[in-house]
Amino acid sequence: EIVLTQSPGTLSLSPGERATLSCRASQSVRNNYLAWYQQKSGQAPRLLIYGVSSRATDVPDRVRGSGSGTDFTLTISRLEPEDFAIYYCQQYGESPYTFGQGTKLDFK
Amino acid sequence: QLLESGGGLVQPGGSLRLSCAASGFTFNSYAMSWVRQAPGKGPEWVSTIVGGGSATYYADSVKGRFTISRDNSRNTLFLQMDSLRAEDTAIYYCAKNPRRGSDGFYYCVDVWGNGTTVSVSS
Repeated sequence: EIVLTQSPGTLSLSPGERATLSCRASQSVRNNYLAWYQQKSGQAPRLLIYGVSSRATDVPDRVRGSGSGTDFTLTISRLEPEDFAIYYCQQYGESPYTFGQGTKLDFK
Repeated sequence: QLLESGGGLVQPGGSLRLSCAASGFTFNSYAMSWVRQAPGKGPEWVSTIVGGGSATYYADSVKGRFTISRDNSRNTLFLQMDSLRAEDTAIYYCAKNPRRGSDGFYYCVDVWGNGTTVSVSS
């Protein structure tokens, strides 16, 4: 099973700043099948990024995914109030299709 | 849109059947999944069924206890959960898998339902 480790656990920033979230896999993610989701309190997750760097529908271009192999990054530039949430990475290249434990982005 | 139902409180060893009504897309053209999330934890993939229903896939943690199925005439996805355990307690999300090419699919999720809560406790 591929274990995804996200860091930091909590990231405290202010609107307008840049957020950099990390996702490290215990082994290489096949075909770079790596996705990022945003989850707000009491809501279902929402797909942001798939295939490491492709943005899902209606995701603004200040959200960017990058990386390869075992190290992946989600960068959100110019934070808006609606960006403060929990973010999960998921690898979907190999069963079981595992998720990370999440990074909480909260207000500084 | 995906709308789950059927969650509730059940004793260990009991059963529940979850349903998910789909609308707004050609249901039989897409693989569908169940993903669960225990309180305070990240999501966990549970099971996937292909668009025609001919193939199913399960996480080891539920294999032999859960059964995924679909009724394409009613645009509905199901999850039959038997021999439930305390560790099955979670919000269960119905999830749509995006297509890959003409006949494949990805195991990520592009549409999520709002979830239904399953609690297993005596």
